[in-house]
Amino acid sequence: DAKTTQPNSMESNEEEPVHLPCNHSTISGTDYIHWYRQLPSQGPEYVIHGLTSNVNNRMASLAIAEDRKSSTLILHRATLRDAAVYYCILREDSNYQLIWGAGTKLIIKP
Amino acid sequence: DTGVSQDPRHKITKRGQNVTFRCDPISEHNRLYWYRQTLGQGPEFLTYFQNEAQLEKSRLLSDRFSAERPKGSFSTLEIQRTEQGDSAMYLCASSSQWGQGSSTDTQYFGPGTRLTVL
Repeated sequence: DAKTTQPNSMESNEEEPVHLPCNHSTISGTDYIHWYRQLPSQGPEYVIHGLTSNVNNRMASLAIAEDRKSSTLILHRATLRDAAVYYCILREDSNYQLIWGAGTKLIIKP
Repeated sequence: DTGVSQDPRHKITKRGQNVTFRCDPISEHNRLYWYRQTLGQGPEFLTYFQNEAQLEKSRLLSDRFSAERPKGSFSTLEIQRTEQGDSAMYLCASSSQWGQGSSTDTQYFGPGTRLTVL
């Protein structure tokens, strides 16, 4: 299974944009890039996914490098409620399960 | 849409006892997953159902673990003869993905059941 690498933790100020990086140098051509987050004491929550093009939804934007070996999750204006562990996960068509790394713990400072 | 629910939210048991957890997925979701998560780690996959059929089981799922989804709706996860190493958060997720393929599958998680084995 293709693996992802994320920083252990990041800090950001409230109401500022946050860029969460993810490296996936062994990604295959058909793997989708998914992001989930887990707020304290809650189950994980889907954030966004994409294949090649940049993607936007109400929660975040996903910027995918042209060679697809890295991606960045962008929170345009972080709030205290965005403090969570963010997981970058590669999904291949034949694999039903989500394979989780350690994720990035995002700390938001007021 | 009421979301995925799990019951109980917390369970404390003594080593050697049996425990059963229940998961109610989002209605009409055909796929259901169980994961286990220990403190500071990402979740680990345990098993997967498509409708009532259990299609995949992790090597983590020892003989003491059994999961069912009898009518393709709710699911139960039973742990027999619990051990202290079974202490963890047990997460259930569901998704609606028809046909083959999982690359765009979006999973919706419940709040989890926290198990403590004394």
